Amino acid sequence: AQSVAQPEDQVNVAEGNPLTVKCTYSVSGNPYLFWYVQYPNRGLQFLLKYITGDNLVKGSYGFEAEFNKSQTSFHLKKPSALVSDSALYFCAVRVPDSGGYQKVTFGTGTKLQVIP
Amino acid sequence: KAGVTQTPRYLIKTRGQQVTLSCSPISGHRSVSWYQQTPGQGLQFLFEYFSETQRNKGNFPGRFSGRQFSNSRSEMNVSTLELGDSALYLCASSMGQGEREAFFGQGTRLTVV
Repeated sequence: AQSVAQPEDQVNVAEGNPLTVKCTYSVSGNPYLFWYVQYPNRGLQFLLKYITGDNLVKGSYGFEAEFNKSQTSFHLKKPSALVSDSALYFCAVRVPDSGGYQKVTFGTGTKLQVIP
Repeated sequence: KAGVTQTPRYLIKTRGQQVTLSCSPISGHRSVSWYQQTPGQGLQFLFEYFSETQRNKGNFPGRFSGRQFSNSRSEMNVSTLELGDSALYLCASSMGQGEREAFFGQGTRLTVV
């Protein structure tokens, strides 16, 4: 069974500082990894994904994530945090079956608070 | 191109009633997945439909059911509502193949009183 762990319920960072939101996963097979962001009273918005290739993935709004196979991690990063980045962030993993269908497993979410 | 549309946005029901939620995927998307989001449990996968067939199912009781129509629109039904069913129900659509990401609707917030 696949699982995703986001060890931090909340991350606080000062505006302008770099931020990291952690994610580790457990799957059998090669994972597809995703990050989503959720603003209050909104659905989830896709940020970025890792399928294959370069371990450093760049996504929307200046975010990037690094896939580390040996540590089974996919941490989300941004060099300089903005107050508007404050939101709930979800890491997700999917291992496609032979038919290409998907069962996506989400982490429990990490609330990012960027302090002015 | 219109996004994923979920209706209604808000719903209040009493215990014991049943409810039907609707999801219209992005045009051309054939896969629709449903999730329940609560503060305590986070995002939990309910089920996934592709071409009118349920492909995957999460660990929810049989009171939770769904279906998908030929135009890929999907409905989710919850019968005999319980207080614990109060949640934000999110629908996501995708092409249904390969590595395509899922696009989420804004959700239906269900309150059971």
